[in-house]
Amino acid sequence: GENVEQHPSTLSVQEGDSAVIKCTYSDSASNYFPWYKQELGKRPQLIIDIRSNVGEKKDQRIAVTLNKTAKHFSLHITETQPEDSAVYFCAASKGGYQKVTFGTGTKLQVIP
Amino acid sequence: DAGVTQSPTHLIKTRGQHVTLRCSPISGHKSVSWYQQVLGQGPQFIFQYYEKEERGRGNFPDRFSARQFPNYSSELNVNALLLGDSALYLCASSTQNREETQYFGPGTRLLVL
Repeated sequence: GENVEQHPSTLSVQEGDSAVIKCTYSDSASNYFPWYKQELGKRPQLIIDIRSNVGEKKDQRIAVTLNKTAKHFSLHITETQPEDSAVYFCAASKGGYQKVTFGTGTKLQVIP
Repeated sequence: DAGVTQSPTHLIKTRGQHVTLRCSPISGHKSVSWYQQVLGQGPQFIFQYYEKEERGRGNFPDRFSARQFPNYSSELNVNALLLGDSALYLCASSTQNREETQYFGPGTRLLVL
């Protein structure tokens, strides 16, 4: 089955700096890659997603890139703010009835 | 806006007991998925239901079962609880069986003693 690896497990950045989280997946048939943000004690919330027919997608300070050949995708957060502090999960899916497989999470701390 | 709702929010059980968790999807969403999130880990897929039929199952023992009702709400049942079943159980809904974007509920935190 699909295996998603995520790095780093923890990340500390100064406010205003950029943060990058990287994920790799194993199943070349995966075609949908969402990113979720989970604050302590709260539900995962979708922040951005990308499909396999797109190489990059941007939404304000957040961007995601996908390299299908290498089977990796990354989340980029620019101009980080303290409220960006949370655990971020990448995920992969083949769509349809296929399950969504999550990475192990990255705890991001933005230091004011 | 009425998002995904789950009940109860917290639950304490003892080993060997049975538990039923409930989920109501976003209005108009027909697909419900269940996930288990152990502390410090990502959510693990348990089941997906669409139009009252099981459409996907993760690597969980037969002690775990679920069903979906005509109004698209869903129940997750876990029998013979083990200490290792302690986790946050998340329900997610999406619009159609092929719509991958899932929206999560607040979860039910289960503690097995």
